[in-house]
Amino acid sequence: AQTVTQSQPEMSVQEAETVTLSCTYDTSESNYYLFWYKQPPSRQMILVIRQEAYKQQNATENRFSVNFQKAAKSFSLKISDSQLGDTAMYFCAFRSGYNNNDMRFGAGTRLTVKP
Amino acid sequence: KAGVTQTPRYLIKTRGQQVTLSCSPISGHRSVSWYQQTPGQGLQFLFEYFSETQRNKGNFPGRFSGRQFSNSRSEMNVSTLELGDSALYLCASSWDPDGADTQYFGPGTRLTVL
Repeated sequence: AQTVTQSQPEMSVQEAETVTLSCTYDTSESNYYLFWYKQPPSRQMILVIRQEAYKQQNATENRFSVNFQKAAKSFSLKISDSQLGDTAMYFCAFRSGYNNNDMRFGAGTRLTVKP
Repeated sequence: KAGVTQTPRYLIKTRGQQVTLSCSPISGHRSVSWYQQTPGQGLQFLFEYFSETQRNKGNFPGRFSGRQFSNSRSEMNVSTLELGDSALYLCASSWDPDGADTQYFGPGTRLTVL
């Protein structure tokens, strides 16, 4: 069974600085998708970024980028120029590419951006 | 496009009662998944529906059930509520059931069981 591990329960960063959130996963599959979701205090889960396992290039979305290390089964999220609105819980998630439709989530990292 | 909507947003029930939660997916999305989020267990997959059929089910007791209608709207039902069922229930929709498609989440229904 696939598992997702986020080893940092809480992190903080100063506004405008850069922070990296860690995620590792365990799977025997070769075709899968990885996601980072953000859940602010409003509780609405918002997609931050996604990565297809077959793509070697790391995904980027504006200030958000990932470091995808397939062999190491690592999928970290880097937030550049942190903003107060980035304060939220961040969840790493794994989804199989073989029509197994449940998403496996990590326990989450609570990120606080300090002014 | 309007996002995923869930109703009601908040619900208070007592032990032994049953509850029905509703989810309307993004227009055109055919797959709806349900998740339970609790402080202790985190986010856990309940089930997924596609074209009115349950495609996948998580490890939850039979008290948890769901269905999907022809317009892709989905409901989940919890019977004989227990205190441990108190949670945020999230619904997510996607266009296609395979892993290539991103799931978009609704705001959730906060269920409190007293």
